[in-house]
Amino acid sequence: ILLTQSPDTLSLSPGERATLSCRASQKVDNNFVAWHQQRPGQPPRLLVAGASRRATGIPDRFRGSGSGTDFLLTISGVEPEDSAVYYCFQYGSAPPHTFGPGTRLEI
Amino acid sequence: DVQLLESGGLLVQPGGSLRLSCAASGFMFTSYAINWVRQAPGKGLEWISLINDKGDASFYADSVRGRFTMSRDNSLNTVHLHLNSLRAEDTALYYCQTAGAWGRGTMVTVS
Repeated sequence: ILLTQSPDTLSLSPGERATLSCRASQKVDNNFVAWHQQRPGQPPRLLVAGASRRATGIPDRFRGSGSGTDFLLTISGVEPEDSAVYYCFQYGSAPPHTFGPGTRLEI
Repeated sequence: DVQLLESGGLLVQPGGSLRLSCAASGFMFTSYAINWVRQAPGKGLEWISLINDKGDASFYADSVRGRFTMSRDNSLNTVHLHLNSLRAEDTALYYCQTAGAWGRGTMVTVS
């Protein structure tokens, strides 16, 4: 399964809403899509699993949604610390699993 | 807290071999599959392999299949990634990932 993400880069001001898209080349079984955040110089961090389940400790302004082939990560009220690259990841079918190319969010 | 600690990254010549390790703690290790993910300098994340909870099935990306092998020791809460026939394009930071957590990575340089 190939994943495409859009936009490539998103530039927003603090307090605005960010909408990041991830589209799969075929249906992702069980909607097993995760979103990972990677800040500069840091390892990635899991934000959302199973399309919409926030990971432990993740603020509720991060919201995952979608099903089938189309998935979204919405960040309500972005903050400067949200500047990062965001990757979607599908793990629904038998491996190989795949990452999308990432969306760079600049605040 | 879930903790993952990778080790074993080195500078190695093309065609060489290496073994990476990931030591895990803070969760029920035997209940989780483990992924290895790599990131070439300045590039995105690439999933490269997975081993199931029992260690009797492993899967690989096309880019490494036949050259890399995963194993795990459930008595030591450790997984290994055996890298053979290394190429310049295998140069990357290698991360262990499972149970919602990531390690900090170990750097492999093939040159």
